[in-house]
Amino acid sequence: DAKTTQPPSMDCAEGRAANLPCNHSTISGNEYVYWYRQIHSQGPQYIIHGLKNNETNEMASLIITEDRKSSTLILPHATLRDTAVYYCIVSGGANSKLTFGKGITLSVRP
Amino acid sequence: GAVVSQHPSWVICKSGTSVKIECRSLDFQATTMFWYRQFPKQSLMLMATSNEGSKATYEQGVEKDKFLINHASLTLSTLTVTSAHPEDSSFYICSARPTRASYEQYFGPGTRLTVT
Repeated sequence: DAKTTQPPSMDCAEGRAANLPCNHSTISGNEYVYWYRQIHSQGPQYIIHGLKNNETNEMASLIITEDRKSSTLILPHATLRDTAVYYCIVSGGANSKLTFGKGITLSVRP
Repeated sequence: GAVVSQHPSWVICKSGTSVKIECRSLDFQATTMFWYRQFPKQSLMLMATSNEGSKATYEQGVEKDKFLINHASLTLSTLTVTSAHPEDSSFYICSARPTRASYEQYFGPGTRLTVT
């Protein structure tokens, strides 16, 4: 599976959009981009995943560049409860393993 | 939907004893389950992949005789830490992949193991 690179941390103000970047320049054609988050001392929570097209669900939007070498997770209106470590993972899709990197720590400030 | 539970949520045991951790998918069937370990301030490390009715596949460096995995049904996988030592103290997390949706994976809340 391709590796991902994320900044170690970022913060944003409550109520504002949080844009979390991820680089995955070695992604191959059949690999998906997944985002999970982990709130302190809990199991990871699935957020969203995509292959080529941008995706949106009730939690977030995923924007994947046309060359698929990078992506951005957007939390449209961040709340204090969104403070967590966010993991961007590239995986082969169906029946593939998830390999977690260090993730990005998002701190939402009041 | 897509809820995964773990039991116990935390456990303290003495060195040399064995501990069993259960992972259940509550509202879906999971042909495949995964076991991870997470040390403080570190990321999750995959230990093994468990497939219902077959032997688990362990990641490199994980002792299969020490970490026994059983996936006896489509909703239950167990991890037994045998002859536990203080260095086995960690946060153990399972995940389950729905049989009906092989692109998804849902995680349990984790089990905090402390070996004294």
